[in-house]
Amino acid sequence: EVQLLESGGGLVQPGGSLRLSCAASGFTFRDYALSWVRQAPGKGLEWVSAIGGNGDTIYYAHSVRGRFTISRDNSRNTLYLQMNSLSAEDTAMYYCARGWVSRGYFDFWGQGTLVTVSS
Amino acid sequence: QSALTQPPSASGSPGQSVTISCTGTSSDVGGYNYVSWYQQHPGKAPKLMIYEVTKRPSGVPDRFSGSKSGNTASLTVSGLQAEDEADYYCSSYGGSNNLVFGGGTYLTVL
Repeated sequence: EVQLLESGGGLVQPGGSLRLSCAASGFTFRDYALSWVRQAPGKGLEWVSAIGGNGDTIYYAHSVRGRFTISRDNSRNTLYLQMNSLSAEDTAMYYCARGWVSRGYFDFWGQGTLVTVSS
Repeated sequence: QSALTQPPSASGSPGQSVTISCTGTSSDVGGYNYVSWYQQHPGKAPKLMIYEVTKRPSGVPDRFSGSKSGNTASLTVSGLQAEDEADYYCSSYGGSNNLVFGGGTYLTVL
């Protein structure tokens, strides 16, 4: 059974940093691209960043480019999102999702981890 | 890149059919056959319902179907059931390694 389990969310002050993790199981981790997708409270979904199976291809949405860094450790079956210079607009549930951006869909999603940026 | 346009709400009675639209541009929906649809119940993660315009993942009832014409994609739910009440989001590959979502449609089963 495919499972994605996010962690690392919490309350952070504006300008602060946070690192999210997504632990995967139930599939051959290195064979799949992964993405982070976020959802602000009461709002729609927004794709944030994607990384290829071996970490060589990385993409970011304009809204986070230069502030967020996606990475993965295939030996630990874990995906990461380092978030810096956070602002209130980054407050959202952050989901880890499996799939390729270039094919336009994600077939499995984690349950999400909530990031709140507030003073 | 702008979000895809969906109606904020849709509704139908049990057993009826309802169609939700998703309008983009020739740079996303119209340019690629990479439109997908997700169902999200309150407090839950999104679930893939349709991918590559018309394909259904294993386990998704055939009451759910997708189509596309020009820059507009559609999700049709036939034989509405109470458990279909949820938010539905479309998404499309937008070129240049970018993916764009619609604003979401809340489907009410009357």
